Amino acid sequence: QLQLVQSGAEVRKPGSSVKVSCKASGDTFNSHIITWVRQAPGQGLEWMGRIIPVLGRGNYAQKFQGRVTITADKSTGTAYMEVNRLKSDDTAVYYCAREVGVKSWIDPWGQGTLVTVSS
Amino acid sequence: SYVLTQPPSVSVAPGQTARIACGGNNIGSHSVHWYQQKPGQAPVLVVYDNTDRPSGIPERFSGSNSENTATLTISRVEAGDEADYYCQMWDSNSDNHVIFGGGTKLTVL
Repeated sequence: QLQLVQSGAEVRKPGSSVKVSCKASGDTFNSHIITWVRQAPGQGLEWMGRIIPVLGRGNYAQKFQGRVTITADKSTGTAYMEVNRLKSDDTAVYYCAREVGVKSWIDPWGQGTLVTVSS
Repeated sequence: SYVLTQPPSVSVAPGQTARIACGGNNIGSHSVHWYQQKPGQAPVLVVYDNTDRPSGIPERFSGSNSENTATLTISRVEAGDEADYYCQMWDSNSDNHVIFGGGTKLTVL
């Protein structure tokens, strides 16, 4: 049973970067699609992008193209999501999760990582 | 790009049936998934591929999808079902991107 455990909360200043980790356990990491979703305070879910660790290449929502980088370390079973040039409206809970099958349902989810961007 | 439209809120009395709609152009031709999210928690998959339930999800949760509306139905609603619910699909016409509806707050009266 795959489990995803994320790194802890972060506080950053506008213009800086943050890198959130997502460690997989309980199943073979490389065979899954790891996807990232964020949720601003009081708002809905927003898909950011995904990676297939065995391929090593990310696929991003247009809104985040060029500012977000998703990577994976196959040796440790850990995925990473880095956001550059942070703005205050990047304040959100960031979730990693497994994207399943060709129809792309999402299960399970990590516990979430709160990133606060404030001067 | 493709848009999924949900009502902001639905209210239902305990024991009654809640129906949460997710509208989209010809959504019936797509595979739709549903998530439950309680305050301070990560989302949980409750229905996938329109009608299937993951292990551990009560039979009270069911889904349907036809023409321009997908629906999550919760029978015999309990107080513990109060949560936000999101529909989701994969848009093959938009570089394989994942799309979420805006979410529906289910209130149990």
